[in-house]
Amino acid sequence: DQQVKQNSPSLSVQEGRISILNCDYTNSMFDYFLWYKKYPAEGPTFLISISSIKDKNEDGRFTVFLNKSAKHLSLHIVPSQPGDSAVYFCAASLNAGNMLTFGGGTRLMVKP
Amino acid sequence: DVKVTQSSRYLVKRTGEKVFLECVQDMDHENMFWYRQDPGLGLRLIYFSYDVKMKEKGDIPEGYSVSREKKERFSLILESASTNQTSMYLCASSLSQGRETQYFGPGTRLLVL
Repeated sequence: DQQVKQNSPSLSVQEGRISILNCDYTNSMFDYFLWYKKYPAEGPTFLISISSIKDKNEDGRFTVFLNKSAKHLSLHIVPSQPGDSAVYFCAASLNAGNMLTFGGGTRLMVKP
Repeated sequence: DVKVTQSSRYLVKRTGEKVFLECVQDMDHENMFWYRQDPGLGLRLIYFSYDVKMKEKGDIPEGYSVSREKKERFSLILESASTNQTSMYLCASSLSQGRETQYFGPGTRLLVL
């Protein structure tokens, strides 16, 4: 059973609006969460991360929110741009380890 | 800039063939990883290595083996390829243990007929 789940396989958003990508996890021992972005024919690239001691981390247009009680995290992109169109993976790790457990990915399409 | 390269972008093999996928990183990273990416399942860890000649099983090691004879090179081996190993294979590396970012190669799309 997948420990990290992204229940929306795809999301379509208008340019300039907010994109919200969601991720749920089942293992309460996860203590570090990351988002990766993947363009076609390229490997995933790191986007933003958050430690379980925080509930929010912001980097420019990207903000990740963590709700530990709900075992839920979300990535907000504001404003969305056509270049943000990609597949987004959330990932989690535990005990300061380097092994990552990935979700299934969400394909974001930002329409001009 | 970290660079992770994979030997092939596309590969077509027949069932039963032995397949080698090569990965090289140029940043003296300690850790290297092999994942496979399948639709809806995301990236699943096959094997990883935290040092030369060291290896650890990931979540789905069955049907695969690995080799790390040099720090910069990590090979994934399919001893006898099967059709259910048709997938996108991604290699990654990171500097050391702990919260280090993993850097990925572009991937090898393997088709087993």
